[in-house]
Amino acid sequence: GAGVSQTPSNKVTEKGKYVELRCDPISGHTALYWYRQSLGQGPEFLIYFQGTGAADDSGLPNDRFFAVRPEGSVSTLKIQRTERGDSAVYLCASSLDGADSPLHFGNGTRLTVT
Amino acid sequence: GESVGLHLPTLSVQEGDNSIINCAYSNSASDYFIWYKQESGKGPQFIIDIRSNMDKRQGQRVTVLLNKTVKHLSLQIAATQPGDSAVYFCAEGSSGSARQLTFGSGTQLTVLP
Repeated sequence: GAGVSQTPSNKVTEKGKYVELRCDPISGHTALYWYRQSLGQGPEFLIYFQGTGAADDSGLPNDRFFAVRPEGSVSTLKIQRTERGDSAVYLCASSLDGADSPLHFGNGTRLTVT
Repeated sequence: GESVGLHLPTLSVQEGDNSIINCAYSNSASDYFIWYKQESGKGPQFIIDIRSNMDKRQGQRVTVLLNKTVKHLSLQIAATQPGDSAVYFCAEGSSGSARQLTFGSGTQLTVLP
């Protein structure tokens, strides 16, 4: 497929558990982004990778959230000790160069913390 | 704080009519603006973008207008079709750097038959 792929599409977990959300960006895109979208709201920035490094993680809400992109392609967003307030759709996006090209989003992972 | 917002949360138009979705922004440092369409259960889909050195840009059936004087952005959709029904978001950012976009809360466009 040509688009950004996110797995799983839905994830239900219990409060306090650990979750991992995966993102496969568009092939050749060097920039990768994670956003979070709550119901009825626009997406909110979490973190941006240029290559393997996190160039901007200012949107991560606290130290329970962490993301990696070890080989500059696939990224994993990790959430420790999940809380009910973490329930949202987690969107991944990629862009060709992180500068002048638009972001292309995946369909997201809907996380529900019970 | 500075934010991007939309004037109307909902908009209903007749099929075949033109649609205009408005957006206000307040961050004077933003020089890049983008419109996304989001259908239920899907991620935002890129529609069109514009940089601050332009005041108008056209795509297929869509036009984005930027008025920097009053910090206003609009998306015009010509001959609106049922498939255009979705939530539309405007977002702002800074070109040439990490593309940390700030999104508005969205406008629900409904196309009536």
